[in-house]
Amino acid sequence: GQQVMQIPQYQHVQEGEDFTTYCNSSTTLSNIQWYKQRPGGHPVFLIQLVKSGEVKKQKRLTFQFGEAKKNSSLHITATQTTDVGTYFCAGEGFVFGPGTRLSVLP
Amino acid sequence: GAVVSQHPSWVICKSGTSVKIECRSLDFQATTMFWYRQFPKQSLMLMATSNEGSKATYEQGVEKDKFLINHASLTLSTLTVTSAHPEDSSFYICSALTGTGASSYEQYFGPGTRLTVT
Repeated sequence: GQQVMQIPQYQHVQEGEDFTTYCNSSTTLSNIQWYKQRPGGHPVFLIQLVKSGEVKKQKRLTFQFGEAKKNSSLHITATQTTDVGTYFCAGEGFVFGPGTRLSVLP
Repeated sequence: GAVVSQHPSWVICKSGTSVKIECRSLDFQATTMFWYRQFPKQSLMLMATSNEGSKATYEQGVEKDKFLINHASLTLSTLTVTSAHPEDSSFYICSALTGTGASSYEQYFGPGTRLTVT
C-alpha cells in the first residue's frame, strides 16, 4: 500500500531559526495534506496540496508539492515557541507519515 | 472552522468488557469519518473509514469484529471496542471529512479518547 515517509524524525531549533520537514511517497500522490499536533492535543489540518509544483504560504509557513507529486515539504521561517509540535503529512487514503517532532528552544 | 467532538474523553474499563466511543461533527454533516489509533509519541494509524449508511472499510490488520463501527447519521459515528484487553489501551481519535471531490476536502479531528483497559 501507499506509504509516506518523513524526515527528520526530530528537530531541535533555536527560536528564530528556520525549520523544514520533508515528506516522501513511494507512489505518485493525487494530493497531500499537512497537519500539526501539539503535545497532548489532536491533529489540526493545515493545508492540502493538489497541483504538481504547487507552493502555498500561510504566514511563516510555506508548503510545497514536488513536480512529480511524490514529495512535499513544509518550511517554517523564524520559528517561534508556538510552533512546537509534531508535523504530519498524509497522502491519499488518509495514511499519515511518521511525523517530525519540532522543539523550539527560547 | 468545523468542530468534531468525541465522548468520552477518557475511559477506564476492565478486561473483557466493551467500550463505545462517539464521534460527532457538531456544525457540519460528514458522510465520511475516520477512526485512528495513536500510541505515545507515534503517528496516527488509520483503523477504518466510516461511511454513513454503509459498512465501514477496515485497514489491513484491523479486526472488524473487535472494533465495531457504526455511522448511523451524517453527524455521528461510533467505535465499539469489544471484549477489550490491555493491549487495546490507546488513544483513539476520530476525524470527519468536509468538502467534495477527491481534491477538495479538509479533515477535522476530534479531541481523542484515551482508553485504558485494566
